[in-house]
Amino acid sequence: KAGVTQTPRYLIKTRGQQVTLSCSPISGHRSVSWYQQTPGQGLQFLFEYFSETQRNKGNFPGRFSGRQFSNSRSEMNVSTLELGDSALYLCASSPQRLARDNEQFFGPGTRLTVL
Amino acid sequence: KQEVTQIPAALSVPEGENLVLNCSFTDSAIYNLQWFRQDPGKGLTSLLLIQSSQREQTSGRLNASLDKSSGRSTLYIAASQPGDSATYLCAVSPMDSNYQLIWGAGTKLIIKP
Repeated sequence: KAGVTQTPRYLIKTRGQQVTLSCSPISGHRSVSWYQQTPGQGLQFLFEYFSETQRNKGNFPGRFSGRQFSNSRSEMNVSTLELGDSALYLCASSPQRLARDNEQFFGPGTRLTVL
Repeated sequence: KQEVTQIPAALSVPEGENLVLNCSFTDSAIYNLQWFRQDPGKGLTSLLLIQSSQREQTSGRLNASLDKSSGRSTLYIAASQPGDSATYLCAVSPMDSNYQLIWGAGTKLIIKP
């Protein structure tokens, strides 16, 4: 079974631009979560989707948004980029329908650099 | 509010030693705990998942234990190898988390040849 894939792997943007990151989960997995990882803050939860519905959202400004498609693929969008948005963005998929089945499998991440 | 702590933040040991990494959490109301490995600049690799009803899980040279009542988990690595060098993170799935994981800051492990 193929793992979680994320595209692109690397991105360089300038302040004020917007960016879209893509995640394809493991086949059969319907839950996709997004995390931001920075040296200072560690791993922080962005949002989680299941069957095209956002079930939870972390404490991030409205500039961060996401969606999930009917094939479970997910995208996240960051608008009006700031220098502090530079981070590794990780996507995880899980077969979970219920929270107690929350075993997550991660993709390689997208490294976003904002200049 | 659930908090996860990993001690030590960094560890350097000679090759061949057995070692223990620690993870503690403040609220025992969890569904499970997962241990991950992260190589520099890379994504996370799931190592072991322990359900709340379990006491330990084993995979090869790795053994993870869970003591929910005391809010502790340990990851035991036997006969360490230079290829084990990485950052090890633990994460809990709290019962009130609404599908998110709560993460420790990680232990950076260096195995010296």
